[in-house]
Amino acid sequence: EDQVTQSPEALRLQEGESSSLNCSYTVSGLRGLFWYRQDPGKGPEFLFTLYSAGEEKEKERLKATLTKKESFLHITAPKPEDSATYLCAVQAVDQGGSEKLVFGKGTKLTVNP
Amino acid sequence: DTGVSQNPRHKITKRGQNVTFRCDPISEHNRLYWYRQTLGQGPEFLTYFQNEAQLEKSRLLSDRFSAERPKGSFSTLEIQRTEQGDSAMYLCASSYSGGSPLHFGNGTRLTVT
Repeated sequence: EDQVTQSPEALRLQEGESSSLNCSYTVSGLRGLFWYRQDPGKGPEFLFTLYSAGEEKEKERLKATLTKKESFLHITAPKPEDSATYLCAVQAVDQGGSEKLVFGKGTKLTVNP
Repeated sequence: DTGVSQNPRHKITKRGQNVTFRCDPISEHNRLYWYRQTLGQGPEFLTYFQNEAQLEKSRLLSDRFSAERPKGSFSTLEIQRTEQGDSAMYLCASSYSGGSPLHFGNGTRLTVT
């Protein structure tokens, strides 16, 4: 069964203090790994898709990387507006045609001014 | 706004009542997903449509749950004889093709009293 584990569950940073969030996964065949941001009371907002080991994507202060077993979301010089829950999800290659994403529990990031 | 739209945003119902939620996906997307999310957890897959065909249902989707997507456009999720354990955020998402990211609506929060 496909599994996604995110760590830490919660992270508090001071504004400008860079850090990384981890997403480790077990999947029979990876079709894609997805990062989302979720604000309270809202649906997840798409950030990145990574398809193969070694791939990297960047957007503003965020950079996502992928290996064969895990992905990292690096946050450089975060600001208070980066506070949110960050979700990682995998989509497996499934001969049966399943297209679903399997999500981790998320990392709740708080950035203090 | 051309994003995924869900109605209602909030629903409070008494145990034993039936409820129905609606999702309008992004118009050019042929894939539609329903997920459920409880506090502190990542979204859990419920069911998936490609056009009007329901291609996968999770074991989480008991006999009291039914989803439809007539004509491959909007979708409805009905819960019959609601139970307190059904209280959650129900999220709808759509995508263009396999491997492309899911775009989520802001969900319907269900409270069963």
